[in-house]
Amino acid sequence: DQQVKQNSPSLSVQEGRISILNCDYTNSMFDYFLWYKKYPAEGPTFLISISSIKDKNEDGRFTVFLNKSAKHLSLHIVPSQPGDSAVYFCAASYDVGAGGTSYGKLTFGQGTILTVHP
Amino acid sequence: DSGVTQTPKHLITATGQRVTLRCSPRSGDLSVYWYQQSLDQGLQFLIQYYNGEERAKGNILERFSAQQFPDLHSELNLSSLELGDSALYFCASSSPGEKLFFGSGTQLSVL
Repeated sequence: DQQVKQNSPSLSVQEGRISILNCDYTNSMFDYFLWYKKYPAEGPTFLISISSIKDKNEDGRFTVFLNKSAKHLSLHIVPSQPGDSAVYFCAASYDVGAGGTSYGKLTFGQGTILTVHP
Repeated sequence: DSGVTQTPKHLITATGQRVTLRCSPRSGDLSVYWYQQSLDQGLQFLIQYYNGEERAKGNILERFSAQQFPDLHSELNLSSLELGDSALYFCASSSPGEKLFFGSGTQLSVL
């Protein structure tokens, strides 16, 4: 049961243009969403996150949009740069309780390979 | 550098064998998580430890076990290995309410 889905295995974009990566989820309990970036031979690195109480979060060139009714989130990168070429993972979580916020049990999508051409 | 250290980086072994993967979390982080990334399954949560105690469990096989030691490092033990266990195993650590920081992973190849 794939609770978090990234339906596009790959995306190719020209440098300077916008990259839009999409993610859909099915579990209504998810209330915290993250994007991670992964380069070859490295572990995933955190990029940006959004809580379910918001519908947009921005950090420099990266903006994440959340549409709760559609159970959909997207990551916009503007402008795209060749160094952004990597695998992007969408992840979701919810507070598992146990005496405090615990967002470490992440459910990841399959990832989207972004290639930004110079 | 995430501050999370995993050893070894690569491990090649045979079916039926047992291996141990090691993880040292970031300084100050009490939580350690183990994830498995295989070609057909993506990144899957295996297990979480918090200050030495098991906190959450995911799709971890009974042949796999983990522990977190008093110095907070963690080990993931994989036994009776099968070809399908070949994967990239990531360790991550965090402080409460904080995002996860991942190590660079251990690539396990079972031949």
